[in-house]
This record gives sequence, C-alpha cells and structure tokens, in this order.
Amino acid sequence: QVQLVESGGGLVKPGGSLRLSCAASGFTFSDYYMSWIRQAPGKGLDWVSYISTTSTYTTYADSVKGRFTISRDNVKNSLFLQMNSLRAEDTAVYYCVRGSGGNSDYWGQGTLVTVSS
Amino acid sequence: DIQMTQSPSSLSASVGDRVTITCRASQGISNYLAWYQQKPGKVIKLLIHGASTLQSGVPSRFSGSGSGTDFTLIISSLQPEDVATYYCQNYNSVPLTFGGGTKVEIK
Repeated sequence: QVQLVESGGGLVKPGGSLRLSCAASGFTFSDYYMSWIRQAPGKGLDWVSYISTTSTYTTYADSVKGRFTISRDNVKNSLFLQMNSLRAEDTAVYYCVRGSGGNSDYWGQGTLVTVSS
Repeated sequence: DIQMTQSPSSLSASVGDRVTITCRASQGISNYLAWYQQKPGKVIKLLIHGASTLQSGVPSRFSGSGSGTDFTLIISSLQPEDVATYYCQNYNSVPLTFGGGTKVEIK
C-alpha cells in the first residue's frame, strides 16, 4: 500500500537550516507530482510547494520562496525540502503529499519542525 | 491570492443529523475544489475532488457540490467516526489555498 514517511524534523535556531526527507513506497513514485504542506500548531493547513514528475517544474508559496527548495530523487523514491533562513513562523508539522491539488490523495504522518532560540 | 472562507468554524450535531459545511472562494475557481478530513492522530484524507467527485473508498454519506465561488460539503447522516476537522482547498491556481477548517463534534 502507499506509504509516505517523513523524516528530518527537529529543533533549529532562527536563521538555521534543515532538510526534510520523504520516503515513498507502494506506488510508482516517478509518475506523480509531489507536494509539501504544513500545519502550524493548532492551526490550519498551509500549502508550501510542489514539484513535477521529472523536477522540471517547481512552485512555492510566497512565504517560503527564496528560502525553501523542493527536490526529488526518482531512483531512490524520495522527496526533499531544503529549508534555509528558518523563522519562528516556519514552526509546523510538515506533510509529504502525493499529488499537487485535487489529486492529493495520500498524506504522510508529518514531521515537526520547531524554530526557536 | 484566492482566499477560501469556510463556515462554520465549528459545529456540534447529533448522530444521524445532516451536516452542511460551506466554503466560499474570493474569486471563481470553477470546480477546482477539494475537501479533506483530519482526524486527531490520523493521516489526513482526501474526501472529494472536482467539487463533487467522491474519492475512492469514501462513504457515500459524504457529498460535495458547487462551482465558481460557493461550495458545500454535506454529511447526510453524521456518524461518530466523522468527528474531525474538514478543510476545503482551492487548486485552480497557485498558491493552493485552504479554508480555515470546520471542526465537527458529536452533541
């Protein structure tokens, strides 16, 4: 069955960096756009970024543009999010999602990123 | 950016009740609207896409309707396992914005 397992979250100081990973299994990873969506503690869902099947196209929320980079490795069935210049407002659970919109049909359990001094 | 406004923000209903959640887009998004369910401690689940197409495996008591700016999610007969927060999402254009969520509880 489809599984998406995020890792790489943790506590980081403001201005620091973190790289999230998502290991995908149970489907042909290279056939699907992939996304990152986040949820601040006690808040709603907030779309971050998505990437096309061959990495040709990426797009970002304005709030992370220039600081975050989405990438993927279709050989290793993995999705990544490189997060630089982190801010307190980036504190959230980050979800790896199969799809990019109305086809966002599988979500991971999420990994918590806490930005605090 | 397209703003998505959900109402109510929370509701309490009895088992078997019909529950209606609305979502309004700040501009027309055709039928590029999805609904998601988030239960405490569980993986977020896609319920409906294309405003009204039920995702495979979702119980038929869930239905969606609407087009343009006004959308509705209906639970025809509320069950205890439907306790969750429900989110609508615009995917007509980037950024893919979400509504603020509707928390559904059992009375």
